[in-house]
Amino acid sequence: GENVEQHPSTLSVQEGDSAVIKCTYSDSASNYFPWYKQELGKGSQLIIDIRSNVGEKKDQRIAVTLNKTAKHFSLHITETQPEDSAVYFCPNAGGTSYGKLTFGQGTILTVHP
Amino acid sequence: DTEVTQTPKHLVMGMTNKKSLKCEQHMGHRAMYWYKQKAKKPPELMFVYSYEKLSINESVPSRFSPECPNSSLLNLHLHALQPEDSALYLCASSHDRSSYEQYFGPGTRLTVT
Repeated sequence: GENVEQHPSTLSVQEGDSAVIKCTYSDSASNYFPWYKQELGKGSQLIIDIRSNVGEKKDQRIAVTLNKTAKHFSLHITETQPEDSAVYFCPNAGGTSYGKLTFGQGTILTVHP
Repeated sequence: DTEVTQTPKHLVMGMTNKKSLKCEQHMGHRAMYWYKQKAKKPPELMFVYSYEKLSINESVPSRFSPECPNSSLLNLHLHALQPEDSALYLCASSHDRSSYEQYFGPGTRLTVT
């Protein structure tokens, strides 16, 4: 299947706090786990991704962790800034979804100054 | 150049009009995509082109007609649209269909009156 569930649907934090968004998937064959960020009025941009042979990947203030046993992966943003405010998506990719990204409902992150 | 450009940025058209959306990339990508995104919803895949050939059509109504004249260009021809077709239309590209790292353009905001 291509089901992806994302939580929470909205997240509000104070500047400097950390934010965590979790994505649960159902396709056991999935082997690629991306996170996209969409700012208001713009297209989505890939911000970080991880493959199934790695448990964690970090890029400055953002990190992604993968738990293949539990079938979930999470986006971690530390020291949040107002410009982190956006909608974040964890589209289903890989496995039986060859060539397709199926976007879930997304998480609206608001970082208050 | 890692940019996907889309024109026009905004388009208002009547239900009897014929118009076209354009997308261009110069990254040498051989897969290109059209997505439709309604307000506060995730992007939904419409079409996938691979090596200038239509690879996936997600049961899109025939009033939307894609065209890939060459490896850098992707068009979406619109005819006899309905008001419910009003949305943000996003173009994306990737190295090829096996690559899930997609680069999105800023989108065309379409309003059908």
